[in-house]
Amino acid sequence: AQSVTQLDSHVSVSEGTPVLLRCNYSSSYSPSLFWYVQHPNKGLQLLLKYTSAATLVKGINGFEAEFKKSETSFHLTKPSAHMSDAAEYFCVVSPNSGYALNFGKGTSLLVTP
Amino acid sequence: SAVISQKPSRDICQRGTSLTIQCQVDSQVTMMFWYRQQPGQSLTLIATANQGSEATYESGFVIDKFPISRPNLTFSTLTVSNMSPEDSSIYLCSVRDTGTGLSGANVLTFGAGSRLTVL
Repeated sequence: AQSVTQLDSHVSVSEGTPVLLRCNYSSSYSPSLFWYVQHPNKGLQLLLKYTSAATLVKGINGFEAEFKKSETSFHLTKPSAHMSDAAEYFCVVSPNSGYALNFGKGTSLLVTP
Repeated sequence: SAVISQKPSRDICQRGTSLTIQCQVDSQVTMMFWYRQQPGQSLTLIATANQGSEATYESGFVIDKFPISRPNLTFSTLTVSNMSPEDSSIYLCSVRDTGTGLSGANVLTFGAGSRLTVL
């Protein structure tokens, strides 16, 4: 079975400082991994995806994530936080052979001035 | 990416009543997925709806409580039956993306969700 664990339920950073949202995965197969963002009262938006190509994946809005098989991790980073980055972030895993997505519990990112 | 419209965007319902949520997609898709997001929680897959066949429900979800229709390749409905306060959630419709670039196979596009509050 495929699953993800988001290690922090809440992360608080100051505007202009780096962001690190941690995610570990468990998968019997070579997984597809995603990060989605959910702004308050809005739908889910795909930030980036990993599908066994380059291990460093660049997404939208300056976010990127690195797939580390040895550590079974897929952490999300951004060099400099912006106030508009405040949202809920979900790490998601999907087996390449299937289509069901398993969502992590989410990390709430707070950005302070 | 596909564009998904959901109705209603939000509703307040009385205990014991039922509510049907509509999901319209701007392109033809084989599979549509219904998710639930309970307050402060992550997303849980309720069922997968294929056009022309019965929906496939995940463990913990049953057809009597969450009947689904899939009359064509662009539309689906989810009904939440005999509602109780525990059904207060955001219900999201999603489809598999068939585009390229950041989107593409294995990526799900989501509607904005339907926020239900049951009193």
